[in-house]
Amino acid sequence: IEMTQSPSSLSASVGDRVTITCRAGQFIATYLNWYQQKPGKAPKLLIYLASTLQNGVPSRFTGGGSGTDFTLTIDSLQPEDFATYYCQQSYFTPFTFGPGTTVDIK
Amino acid sequence: QVQVVQSGAELKKPGASVTVSCKASGYTFTEYAMNWLRQAPGQGLEWMGTMNTKRESPTYAQGFRGRFVFSLDTSVNTAYLQINNLTTEDTAVYYCARDGAVAGNWFDPWGQGTLVTVS
Repeated sequence: IEMTQSPSSLSASVGDRVTITCRAGQFIATYLNWYQQKPGKAPKLLIYLASTLQNGVPSRFTGGGSGTDFTLTIDSLQPEDFATYYCQQSYFTPFTFGPGTTVDIK
Repeated sequence: QVQVVQSGAELKKPGASVTVSCKASGYTFTEYAMNWLRQAPGQGLEWMGTMNTKRESPTYAQGFRGRFVFSLDTSVNTAYLQINNLTTEDTAVYYCARDGAVAGNWFDPWGQGTLVTVS
């Protein structure tokens, strides 16, 4: 299943609200997960099953969507949120990732 | 706490083999599948496949069948990735990552990554 993300990159300021979109090439119900990756580090799970926040992840991260269209929203962007974000479908093997969205400082 | 810790960086010549280890702690090893993922330099994430730790049964994604071998040693809660007949295109960071839940195919936690350089 091909996954696409938009935008591929964005520039934002601390305190901004940011929304990243992920689209699946076919129906995946809510089997969509989001990860954050910082340079030189392993990815970190943020949200699973489209909207469930992983333990310990700040509540400013929210996920939504179902079927083929999904969003990750970060309310009030913090300095530690500048990173690359990936979506991943877990509906069908092979599990596939989107190409990533890099959020950098404006 | 639940964690997975990988072995260190490797430098190999083309044609050689390499084994990456992934040691789990903080949970019952055989209750969760262990996944392997690859990230080539400057690129995105690619799922290589998964190891059912209870049945000791691997599943490989297409493109990772043949030269790539998943194995386990359940006595030491460790998963292994062996790559044979290395080429320069295998240069990447390799991650192990546990299933986030029993039968939940999201990945958490992740190992720190192992850089394999083929040159």
